[in-house]
Amino acid sequence: QKEVEQDPGPLSVPEGAIVSLNCTYSNSAFQYFMWYRQYSRKGPELLMYTYSSGNKEDGRFTAQVDKSSKYISLFIRDSQPSDSATYLCAMSKAAGNKLTFGGGTRVLVKP
Amino acid sequence: GAVVSQHPSRVICKSGTSVKIECRSLDFQATTMFWYRQFPKQSLMLMATSNEGSKATYEQGVEKDKFLINHASLTLSTLTVTSAHPEDSSFYICSASVEGEVDTQYFGPGTRLTVL
Repeated sequence: QKEVEQDPGPLSVPEGAIVSLNCTYSNSAFQYFMWYRQYSRKGPELLMYTYSSGNKEDGRFTAQVDKSSKYISLFIRDSQPSDSATYLCAMSKAAGNKLTFGGGTRVLVKP
Repeated sequence: GAVVSQHPSRVICKSGTSVKIECRSLDFQATTMFWYRQFPKQSLMLMATSNEGSKATYEQGVEKDKFLINHASLTLSTLTVTSAHPEDSSFYICSASVEGEVDTQYFGPGTRLTVL
């Protein structure tokens, strides 16, 4: 079993819809949680960063962490075709420590 | 924001040759750089962690003699794939941690290596 599980998708939604992404993990030692966006053949781009449990909002993006359930989520409101990409969750056990990635979810936002 | 560059962006080489990939932090000093490998439609697999001035720490299963990592300065790390074979063909991505910023990594654009 992988440490971090993520549905590979693809997740197809119409433009303007809410995109809901999530990851589950097995190691309770993870403290830092991140979401990255990766376009095809490009490096990942950091979208959101959260420490421990709670919610964080940044523009159209909302990240949620529920450590008791070992479950993290990313919501994208008012989705745009430019949001079409692969979204990777990542987490680490300590500050500056190596990241463990989920497998990524491919998202397609159709005009 | 912090910018990380990689060079080259794409390289094609013959089997048996060595290839060097550079990773640079352009506007910040990176005490730690990470090297990842990514196969098509798969996630990033950490290969090694590189700290300036010290030997890299390799993940289990990664051959340190095949993937040579040098972190000569706070802004430059290099990955050399020695005696490359077709199975080494992959997308190689580096990332850098910003000193003073808690647990964020900024990624380079990646290098596509094709070994013929």
